[in-house]
Amino acid sequence: DSGVTQTPKHLITATGQRVTLRCSPRSGDLSVYWYQQSLDQGLQFLIQYYNGEERAKGNILERFSAQQFPDLHSELNLSSLELGDSALYFCASSVVPGALREQFFGPGTRLTVL
Amino acid sequence: AQSVTQLGSHVSVSEGALVLLRCNYSSSVPPYLFWYVQYPNQGLQLLLKYTSAATLVKGINGFEAEFKKSETSFHLTKPSAHMSDAAEYFCAVSANGANNLFFGTGTRLTVIP
Repeated sequence: DSGVTQTPKHLITATGQRVTLRCSPRSGDLSVYWYQQSLDQGLQFLIQYYNGEERAKGNILERFSAQQFPDLHSELNLSSLELGDSALYFCASSVVPGALREQFFGPGTRLTVL
Repeated sequence: AQSVTQLGSHVSVSEGALVLLRCNYSSSVPPYLFWYVQYPNQGLQLLLKYTSAATLVKGINGFEAEFKKSETSFHLTKPSAHMSDAAEYFCAVSANGANNLFFGTGTRLTVIP
């Protein structure tokens, strides 16, 4: 158990819908990262927050957005969902940003778009 | 730009045999390199990381990796495979100072009893 929690574990929805994925970082971690793991794209970095502010952006679609709240939990919002958005979405956290800081991964949310 | 290439999407070894998982990197700046393991239905767990100190890096569960700049490689090895090593392994790279990781496509390790 990494200490990172993600809800829900599984999510099944239809094309065109909007969903919100939630992540609670490890106690004391200020930085949160979101990753998408899909069969065709592999594991891709989406976005990073540090203490409530966006810190780095990766291959995140405009239909996706995220935020980190004052209590440091983070939400990833996916809208106008397409079949290709079906994937495993991971949240990770670290004490502070930086490549040397170990990122602890949550168990993921499996999103299925029908 | 940084990237990693993992050679072999599937590797099978017998229990007790040497494990060798290959990773080659591309980076325009000195890289930080990582190996992560993903067990079924779980998130990723850090095995080890290279941060420009010793070129031979020892990690958890008996794994180690050697950074070879001349070969742009960071292969993961374990002298003797155990059934519990069956999992998917990801190599990742980060540019010096950058925040995010670029992952390879993963190698699924099967251990045959």
